[in-house]
Amino acid sequence: DTAVSQTPKYLVTQMGNDKSIKCEQNLGHDTMYWYKQDSKKFLKIMFSYNNKELIINETVPNRFSPKSPDKAHLNLHINSLELGDSAVYFCASSQVPPLAPRDTGELFFGEGSRLTVL
Amino acid sequence: RKEVEQDPGPFNVPEGATVAFNCTYSNSASQSFFWYRQDCRKEPKLLMSVYSSGNEDGRFTAQLNRASQYISLLIRDSKLSDSATYLCVVNMELTNDYKLSFGAGTTVTVRA
Repeated sequence: DTAVSQTPKYLVTQMGNDKSIKCEQNLGHDTMYWYKQDSKKFLKIMFSYNNKELIINETVPNRFSPKSPDKAHLNLHINSLELGDSAVYFCASSQVPPLAPRDTGELFFGEGSRLTVL
Repeated sequence: RKEVEQDPGPFNVPEGATVAFNCTYSNSASQSFFWYRQDCRKEPKLLMSVYSSGNEDGRFTAQLNRASQYISLLIRDSKLSDSATYLCVVNMELTNDYKLSFGAGTTVTVRA
């Protein structure tokens, strides 16, 4: 069983469309994240949820809306897609939130969802 | 200045060689440090934490230099399977929170 699974793995769509990426973790973790990795390979945090509550919301356009129906799921909906949204989106989970000192710092990532906006 | 900076490489080394690279961080209040490994088109995975006294895990040695605000990773006796991008990760203390910041990665290619 995959610990953190996200779907779809690949998504090709036109500018202006709305799309969603789903994520589920079966590790029993309380905290889940969305990260964006652009073409320059920087991994940037977008959102973090702890037990269904939003705890980190970086400067992300409000076209991006996360939803956490329960602590095992964190979905990402993107409205009005733009070319600059093309990237790999990684879902992740960790045991404690947000990562405090002496934490193992271990994030468990999903395999990524590669979004291409044409 | 970026929060976490790494030499992107690539470092091309023959099997059996030793390769080492650094990562600098800007926030002196940073508390915890980690190295993650990311294979091509895969997700990042934790390689090792970095402790103040330095630590080893098999062929991998991590060091922390708080005074100069950098961490390092050394790989001894490189294997082909060590080819990957190594991400430096720093847990930064914010006002009432902590945040993990990732470097852009150092690419290592081990050749036969």
